[in-house]
Amino acid sequence: EVQLVQSGAEVKKPGESLKISCKGSGYTFTSYWIGWVRQMPGKGLEWMGIIYPGDSNTRYSPSFQGQVTFSADKSISTAFLQWNSLKASDTAMYYCARQRAPNWFDSWGQGTLVTVSS
Amino acid sequence: ETVMTQSPATVAVSPGERATLSCRASQSVSSNLAWYQQNPGQAPRLLIYETSSRATGIPARFSGSGSGTEFTLTISSLQSEDFAVYYCQQYNYWPLTFGQGTKVEIK
Repeated sequence: EVQLVQSGAEVKKPGESLKISCKGSGYTFTSYWIGWVRQMPGKGLEWMGIIYPGDSNTRYSPSFQGQVTFSADKSISTAFLQWNSLKASDTAMYYCARQRAPNWFDSWGQGTLVTVSS
Repeated sequence: ETVMTQSPATVAVSPGERATLSCRASQSVSSNLAWYQQNPGQAPRLLIYETSSRATGIPARFSGSGSGTEFTLTISSLQSEDFAVYYCQQYNYWPLTFGQGTKVEIK
């Protein structure tokens, strides 16, 4: 069974750094892209970008370029989403999701809630 | 950026009735369109890809159609678990983009 398991909820202060994770299992982790999707409170889905764990090739949405960093560790089948300096406006649910190619997302993580508040 | 516009924003339907949801792209996305369902407090779930192909385990009451800029998701006979928010997503152009969602609520 394909599973994406994300790290737990985080509460941070503005200016702090954060790295959340997404661990894949039940499939060949290096053969699929992992995408990241933001959902702000009460709002819709926003595509942030994708990473190919096989070679760490990344594509960022222009809206998120320079604001976040994607990475992956093949040895532990885990993808990461990182911020260097959080803002209150980063408060949201963040989902990772699998893609066979840069197309549709066929399997989703359960989401990681990030709250940024002073 | 390709803007995806869904209509209506909210639709009220009685259980057992049909629901028709629309998604319009600001430029042609060919057949490169997917639909997702999101129930409250849950992650989205893939329903339809390539405009009309049902994902694994999705009931036949869900169907997709369209091409180019106009797409439709039809739920033929609404069940209680179908009352949710539905999103379309294009993957023909970077960046990939989602519609703003249509909420299907109980009438």
